[in-house]
Amino acid sequence: DTGVSQNPRHKITKRGQNVTFRCDPISEHNRLYWYRQTLGQGPEFLTYFQNEAQLEKSRLLSDRFSAERPKGSFSTLEIQRTEQGDSAMYLCASSFVNQETQYFGPGTRLLVL
Amino acid sequence: QKEVEQDPGPLSVPEGAIVSLNCTYSNSAFQYFMWYRQYSRKGPELLMYTYSSGNKEDGRFTAQVDKSSKYISLFIRDSQPSDSATYLCAMWQGAQKLVFGQGTRLTINP
Repeated sequence: DTGVSQNPRHKITKRGQNVTFRCDPISEHNRLYWYRQTLGQGPEFLTYFQNEAQLEKSRLLSDRFSAERPKGSFSTLEIQRTEQGDSAMYLCASSFVNQETQYFGPGTRLLVL
Repeated sequence: QKEVEQDPGPLSVPEGAIVSLNCTYSNSAFQYFMWYRQYSRKGPELLMYTYSSGNKEDGRFTAQVDKSSKYISLFIRDSQPSDSATYLCAMWQGAQKLVFGQGTRLTINP
């Protein structure tokens, strides 16, 4: 399967714990995006990378959130000191540079208790 | 006001009906218009995208864009139960992020 993959698919954690998600994009794609989707809403942009450089961060991405793409391939999204409001589906997408079509992974569903 | 407005539904129609899904937007800088389909607990899947005003057809699906009215539509002909999903419109303005509507939950009843 050459699509976008995300791990884990589900994560349950207690408030205050740290969690880390991984995204493996389509291998030829330079750009990698993170979105967050809450129940009954469309995805909301969090941040994106072009190769290893993080080029834009949404104001939704508080200082408890950090994302990396160290070698321009896979990316990780870490949430520190999780809060119940962080419960959502975290989606990763990838694309070629300056291409409007983004391809999404299956998402990581986070539940903070 | 959100940049992209989409009626969340739910919308329920009988099998074989023509389905019309719509979005309005406020940002005239949007250049590309996409429709994604999302099954429950899955990631969004790209269905169609269009650049300019007009129609684009792909099998049973037709995407329509009216830039003058800032209004886009997706039509599904001969709807099937397998079309039951949430349909998300998304827009791109040459910046990097997609801006999504809320999504319309569609159910096709056999």
